[in-house]
Amino acid sequence: DTAVSQTPKYLVTQMGNDKSIKCEQNLGHDTMYWYKQDSKKFLKIMFSYNNKELIINETVPNRFSPKSPDKAHLNLHINSLELGDSAVYFCASSQVRAGVAYNEQFFGPGTRLTVL
Amino acid sequence: AQSVAQPEDQVNVAEGNPLTVKCTYSVSGNPYLFWYVQYPNRGLQFLLKYITGDNLVKGSYGFEAEFNKSQTSFHLKKPSALVSDSALYFCAVRDQYSSASKIIFGSGTRLSIRP
Repeated sequence: DTAVSQTPKYLVTQMGNDKSIKCEQNLGHDTMYWYKQDSKKFLKIMFSYNNKELIINETVPNRFSPKSPDKAHLNLHINSLELGDSAVYFCASSQVRAGVAYNEQFFGPGTRLTVL
Repeated sequence: AQSVAQPEDQVNVAEGNPLTVKCTYSVSGNPYLFWYVQYPNRGLQFLLKYITGDNLVKGSYGFEAEFNKSQTSFHLKKPSALVSDSALYFCAVRDQYSSASKIIFGSGTRLSIRP
């Protein structure tokens, strides 16, 4: 009955590889997010989708490409991985009512990406 | 533009004592304010939020926060700390005029409760 799930939990890979992280939520929310948490625990939003439409796209390298096949899923594909991509990536979801984000976000457990 | 600041990287409190974790914000319009907690190797969990109404907001695990518009603050408080409260705490803010779903997180405050 996990609310927001991510796979894999850990991802260790070599520089230059391409990898994907998957996220699913069973809360019926209409908005999903990807965040990056660096080694100093600073949390920064990367992308947000509302009803499969990209609504937030922060200054993220275009090697990162999100894809939302439906409201319940938001995947993150990363091309040509670099050392600096090592971080914990969190997926989250929330319900945005009438375009206003009153509601809290629910976070997944995170995916720890290590690029060697 | 919206921003949020947590001036303390770490707060140390003895078990049983009251605790305060500070947060100040800057927004153009009315703020929507949130507190989240992160336990080791876990995702963030929602604690409480202020949207409108009473300035004192009560949340999970006995935590509460006071919205102070004149001081642009939203400090997290608990009357009696538990060792299990030790975790990383994030304050977050959204401006009523900003993009619908974008909120900004503070840099986090590590709360350490000693027995």
